[in-house]
Amino acid sequence: DAKTTQPPSMDCAEGRAANLPCNHSTISGNEYVYWYRQIHSQGPQYIIHGLKNNETNEMASLIITEDRKSSTLILPHATLRDTAVYYCIVSGGYQKVTFGTGTKLQVIP
Amino acid sequence: GAVVSQHPSRVICKSGTSVKIECRSLDFQATTMFWYRQFPKQSLMLMATSNEGSKATYEQGVEKDKFLINHASLTLSTLTVTSAHPEDSSFYICSARKDRIYEQYFGPGTRLTVT
Repeated sequence: DAKTTQPPSMDCAEGRAANLPCNHSTISGNEYVYWYRQIHSQGPQYIIHGLKNNETNEMASLIITEDRKSSTLILPHATLRDTAVYYCIVSGGYQKVTFGTGTKLQVIP
Repeated sequence: GAVVSQHPSRVICKSGTSVKIECRSLDFQATTMFWYRQFPKQSLMLMATSNEGSKATYEQGVEKDKFLINHASLTLSTLTVTSAHPEDSSFYICSARKDRIYEQYFGPGTRLTVT
């Protein structure tokens, strides 16, 4: 079973920041938080991952709370191409990745 | 870097036949590959994990004799759906992981339709 809870859907205006929350209250010390997204009828795309520090790359930022029980993925300037299902996943290093139901993000023009 | 391809992208086969799907890591060596299945409007379901040169580990409920997985090299894994039935129609997605790297890179998926 997935170890994360995400809202089923969210809307975001084009050009604004999209903030996608994820709860993972049972995360253990050696488990990472990963984010992937899946655009309709395509394979998932890796976005970012982190352990306890905030992370940023060319796609997004990942903010992890100090107790590590929740995190937020931030897309700083959402575009229509960011419309997708976003999956927050908790996994320990080399463990297998199990997908939950994700958040369907709709970017609105 | 980290590109994964799948072939074919779409396949239609008749009930009772077998179909093979290839998953290749194009620019890296994949020590571990994963196979997922996704039904319409559902999330991805992990079917099996394969490490190069060893037998695949199947998830509970996945028939190993029906879904044959071979990971013969560090860049190629194959999934063969044997004696396919209409209920096997689905979107099959593979992913690959580099050695010592945690994130997975996914292929574009293969849509299988069994008539």
